[in-house]
Amino acid sequence: EAGVTQFPSHSVIEKGQTVTLRCDPISGHDNLYWYRRVMGKEIKFLLHFVKESKQDESGMPNNRFLAERTGGTYSTLKVQPAELEDSGVYFCASSPRGGYEQFFGPGTRLTVL
Amino acid sequence: GEDVEQSLFLSVREGDSSVINCTYTDSSSTYLYWYKQEPGAGLQLLTYIFSNMDMKQDQRLTVLLNKKDKHLSLRIADTQTGDSAIYFCALILTGGGNKLTFGTGTQLKVEL
Repeated sequence: EAGVTQFPSHSVIEKGQTVTLRCDPISGHDNLYWYRRVMGKEIKFLLHFVKESKQDESGMPNNRFLAERTGGTYSTLKVQPAELEDSGVYFCASSPRGGYEQFFGPGTRLTVL
Repeated sequence: GEDVEQSLFLSVREGDSSVINCTYTDSSSTYLYWYKQEPGAGLQLLTYIFSNMDMKQDQRLTVLLNKKDKHLSLRIADTQTGDSAIYFCALILTGGGNKLTFGTGTQLKVEL
C-alpha cells in the first residue's frame, strides 16, 4: 500500500511569489492533516480535513494560506504571497476514519528568498 | 497552550540503551506518540501509548508514561547506528480534536 506522498519535495521561490504544495493521502483515509516546521521550532498543526470539509483550521497562520481538498482525495496548500517566515518543512499526514495513528508524508521543504 | 519539552541532544554508544524523555504541561492528553525522523525523510510513527496505560513494549522499544509527573519516555534497547535520528514525542489532547502537539525533538547520535 502506498504511503502519503507530497509534491514537490523541495521548492525555492522569491518573496511575493505563489507556491502550491500537494499531498496525496493513503487511499481511503478520510482524515488529512497539514503541519509545518519552521526552522528551529516545533512541528505545528495547521489544519485538519475530514473528507473535503475543514474540521479544524485553528493553526493556519494567516489568510495568505489556503488549503483545499476538493473531492476528498488529495489536498493542496497554497501560499500567496509567500513571505520569508514561511520557509520551513510542510508535512502532510492522513489517518482512517476513527483512527488515532497519523501517517506522515516525507514533507515539502519550502525556501522563500 | 500546551508545552511539550524534550532535550535537544542525546549521544550514546552502539549497544547501549537510549532513553529519550518528554515532559508536558497539560494532563488531559489522551494519546501519546513517538515519531522518528531520519535525515531527509518524513516522520515515521514508532509507537504510541494510551493515557490509561503506564507502559508499552514493542521489540527494542519501551514506552513509559508517568501521568502524575507528566513525563513520557522512550527507551531503545541495544541502540544501533541506524537508530540515529531525531525523535519527536507528540500528544493528542482531550477536546483538542485530532491534532498532534509535538515536542521540540531530540537528536540521537549513536557512536561506535
